[in-house]
Amino acid sequence: DGGITQSPKYLFRKEGQNVTLSCEQNLNHDAMYWYRQDPGQGLRLIYYSQIVNDFQKGDIAEGYSVSREKKESFPLTVTSAQKNPTAFYLCASRGQGRKDQPQHFGDGTRLSIL
Amino acid sequence: KNQVEQSPQSLIILEGKNCTLQCNYTVSPFSNLRWYKQDTGRGPVSLTIMTFSENTKSNGRYTATLDADTKQSSLHITASQLSDSASYICVVTYGGATNKLIFGTGTLLAVQP
Repeated sequence: DGGITQSPKYLFRKEGQNVTLSCEQNLNHDAMYWYRQDPGQGLRLIYYSQIVNDFQKGDIAEGYSVSREKKESFPLTVTSAQKNPTAFYLCASRGQGRKDQPQHFGDGTRLSIL
Repeated sequence: KNQVEQSPQSLIILEGKNCTLQCNYTVSPFSNLRWYKQDTGRGPVSLTIMTFSENTKSNGRYTATLDADTKQSSLHITASQLSDSASYICVVTYGGATNKLIFGTGTLLAVQP
């Protein structure tokens, strides 16, 4: 079945450590997105990529980095510069055809600080 | 300021009852409004999309309405089931060609037997 796979489901980070969250999709979508979800807040956009080898900062990019070397993959690195990384991270993808196509989401990675 | 506000924050209903969730938005220019369902620990799944010219749209027991004049949308759930327990998120696309999204904070619905 086509979809988006995020791994791991749960991740723990030590102080000063970088961690990388994986996002893979087999929907043949060009656009991919990373969001952060905190309790009581709407999803906030971290980074997005419209095409391979290109990506743009979202609203809260500080302390995060991404790469888009393959169409299927859009990993997110949470660096030690992100002082409050505890959150639920969601990856999404979207086809570039019709304007009203929805974003398809993975099932998220929950990141916690040890 | 572009905003999406949802109410109520949370709601508890008995199985079999109906309920209505609200979404008010202030964005410009408006493109479309989508309702997502997010089960606990999962990613959101699209339920329905409303464009400027649409007043109502159904997806099974879910019916969404849109009043573009008052900038309000509602999601009505009929004959609720235990599996309807989830967070319902209103997402508005705006900005014309820039295609920006703004997410509401969601309504947490609990359906009790």
